Amino acid sequence: LAKTTQPISMDSYEGQEVNITCSHNNIATNDYITWYQQFPSQGPRFIIQGYKTKVTNEVASLFIPADRKSSTLSLPRVSLSDTAVYYCLVGDVTNDYKLSFGAGTTVTVRA
Amino acid sequence: GAVVSQHPSWVICKSGTSVKIECRSLDFQATTMFWYRQFPKQSLMLMATSNEGSKATYEQGVEKDKFLINHASLTLSTLTVTSAHPEDSSFYICSARPSGRGTDTQYFGPGTRLTVL
Repeated sequence: LAKTTQPISMDSYEGQEVNITCSHNNIATNDYITWYQQFPSQGPRFIIQGYKTKVTNEVASLFIPADRKSSTLSLPRVSLSDTAVYYCLVGDVTNDYKLSFGAGTTVTVRA
Repeated sequence: GAVVSQHPSWVICKSGTSVKIECRSLDFQATTMFWYRQFPKQSLMLMATSNEGSKATYEQGVEKDKFLINHASLTLSTLTVTSAHPEDSSFYICSARPSGRGTDTQYFGPGTRLTVL
């Protein structure tokens, strides 16, 4: 499974943009990059997924450079309710699409 | 769309008893479902991969005879914790991957809090 590395924690304030960068140096050709959000005592919630370049949905944007060895999740204008743990994951398409969760990034949004 | 449910949401049991947790994909079919365990302040740990109609594959260190997994239909997988002990107390989360998709998107259930006394 491709290993990912992301910052342990980030602090921000309401209304700011939060960018979380994840490294995945050994990503395989067919792997997709997926980000999840998790609140305490809840299951992870799918945020966004991409393969290359830029993907945007109503919640976030995902930027993936050409070499795909990293990706950046961008959360625009965060609010207090965005305080959560964010996980960057790379699926193993050759192994039942297993996901290996790292420690994630704890994002704390302050008023 | 892509909703996954778990039942029960929490359970308290005595040591030595067995507990069954259900995971259902409500609006899609899932050939593959996954079971995770999460201890407080830690990340999710994959326990096993469940494929419909076949035996589950377990991650290293996970006792298959203790954590029985059944994936009898395309919308239901169950995890049975047999002879539970206090160290099995944890947050159990399932996920399901929609059948036929070319990507690895997994949709997660809300989790089940197991407390073994």
